[in-house]
Amino acid sequence: QKEVEQNSGPLSVPEGAIASLNCTYSDRGSQSFFWYRQYSGKSPELIMFIYSNGDKEDGRFTAQLNKASQYVSLLIRDSQPSDSATYLCAVDSGNTGKLIFGQGTTLQVKP
Amino acid sequence: DVKVTQSSRYLVKRTGEKVFLECVQDMDHENMFWYRQDPGLGLRLIYFSYDVKMKEKGDIPEGYSVSREKKERFSLILESASTNQTSMYLCASTLTDSYEQYFGPGTRLTVT
Repeated sequence: QKEVEQNSGPLSVPEGAIASLNCTYSDRGSQSFFWYRQYSGKSPELIMFIYSNGDKEDGRFTAQLNKASQYVSLLIRDSQPSDSATYLCAVDSGNTGKLIFGQGTTLQVKP
Repeated sequence: DVKVTQSSRYLVKRTGEKVFLECVQDMDHENMFWYRQDPGLGLRLIYFSYDVKMKEKGDIPEGYSVSREKKERFSLILESASTNQTSMYLCASTLTDSYEQYFGPGTRLTVT
């Protein structure tokens, strides 16, 4: 059974700090990695994707991928209260078109 | 922008009723997915479809069926609703050879 693991949290950080969200996956063959943000009562919104080892930056968000260690992380710089949400990590399940989702990490950014 | 719409945001049905949840996407995506999301259980895949009239079972297909008669529309059917099907239902779509799933707003279904 292919799995994606996240710490459910909540992860609490003060406003302006860096939030670090982590995710590990079991399938070494996975090639595509995604981060979704989900506000309470809303649907998931794709915010980052990464396919290659290393870092990918988009504004205040940086996705980091280490295939050898089978983890992917999301850094949020200058965290804002509006970043408070659940962040879902998702990994492709091999040539099936499907994604495997982690349970999500709840982030709380305190003013 | 990709737009995925779902027929209802909130729905209340009685046990035993037949329930239809509709999903429409406007970006000519080949792949469409139905999930349910429950606290502590995360997102679970019910069914997905790679093309018109094609469907594949996901992880929890029991008690559900689907229909895809047109490329843009993917329907989830609860043949006889039960209280344990009370949940948030989410539809998503992607292009062929892409894993970037775009979600609709969700339907919160309550079965009483």
